[in-house]
Parts: sequence; structure tokens; C-alpha cells
Amino acid sequence: DVKVTQSSRYLVKRTGEKVFLECVQDMDHENMFWYRQDPGLGLRLIYFSYDVKMKEKGDIPEGYSVSREKKERFSLILESASTNQTSMYLCASSPRTNEQFFGPGTRLTVL
Amino acid sequence: GIQVEQSPPDLILQEGANSTLRCNFSDSVNNLQWFHQNPWGQLINLFYIPSGTKQNGRLSATTVATERYSLLYISSSQTTDSGVYFCAAPRPQNQGGKLIFGQGTELSVKP
Repeated sequence: DVKVTQSSRYLVKRTGEKVFLECVQDMDHENMFWYRQDPGLGLRLIYFSYDVKMKEKGDIPEGYSVSREKKERFSLILESASTNQTSMYLCASSPRTNEQFFGPGTRLTVL
Repeated sequence: GIQVEQSPPDLILQEGANSTLRCNFSDSVNNLQWFHQNPWGQLINLFYIPSGTKQNGRLSATTVATERYSLLYISSSQTTDSGVYFCAAPRPQNQGGKLIFGQGTELSVKP
């Protein structure tokens, strides 16, 4: 079975802190994705990576950056967390152009 | 770009009832996924169904690609079926496997 794990289920940070969200997949998938989910706005794509060290902006990249140094790991970085980044963050992976699999999600609260 | 619309937005059922959820997409697609978001927020893969019909226990799905819709059937519903159901289709030219999600159907099954 495909397994996608995320480093934390719940996270509380202060405004201005640098925040790292980690995602690891164990199926050698080429593609990895970071989404955020907010009530009434659905799932929105933040960043996408199609290979190691390759990344592409999604629909709402502002305030975020990503890192993919190894194929199995995709990190989302909030350089200076703000309260409007309080959200549910979901990581996913997929083989190229194929079925996506999601991790359990991280509920981030920025105070 | 492609639009993905789900109906109904909300559905309340008594345990044991059957239901049909619909997903319409505005352009031809070469695959379609159904997910169930559980109360803890994780998206669970239900079906990867470009066309035809698939069944998994009490759930089944049918995609009619030529008519641009997919249906998810839930039979003999249980309280554990509660949650939000999403369908998702690939973006045009299958941009690296990126998906467009519908807004979801929130299902509540009462005992």
C-alpha cells in the first residue's frame, strides 16, 4: 500500500516563526504536492514538485517555499508564519500523471 | 480551465439508506478520482475511474467520460460513511498530474 506521512498532525506556532512541514512517501513517486484546505475554499494547490530539486508554483504560493532534496521527501516552509496561514495542510504524491495519494494532514494554528 | 462541480452540496441520510453523489466536469478527462475525507481530515482514495464502473464493497462508481460525469453510489449507508466526498479531475494537458477538485458533498448519516 502507498503510504504518505506528515511530520505532525497538529502544530501551533507564533506569528513570525519559521515553520517546516515535512512529507514523506514510500512508493518512489515522481510527483509530490502541497495543498491547503480552508472552509468554503476547498483544496488549493500551493506547490508541486515533479522531480528532485524541481518545483513549480501552484495557485497560492505566496508566503510559502518548498524543498525537495530527496525523491521521497517534500518540505513546505513558511518563512514567517502569519495568522492567515492557519489552515489544514495536505501533502500528496503520485506516479507521473496518475492517481494521487494523500497524507493524514497537518492542522496548523498560527497565533 | 476545466470546471468540476459536485451535487448535492449536503446530504443527510438515515442509516441503511442508499445515495448517489454526482460529479460533472466541463471538459473531457482521461481520469477521475473519488475521495472520502474522514473526520480527522485525511483524504482516503475511493476510486480511480477514468471510465466504466468499479465496485468496492458497498461503494461503487461509474464514469461516463463522453457525457462528462461520474456518479458515486453508497448503498446501505453507515454512520462511518459520514464526511465529505470529493471528486477530482486532471488539469488540461494533464499538467504533471495536478488535479482540480470539486467543492465536495458533505454527507451525514444518522443512526
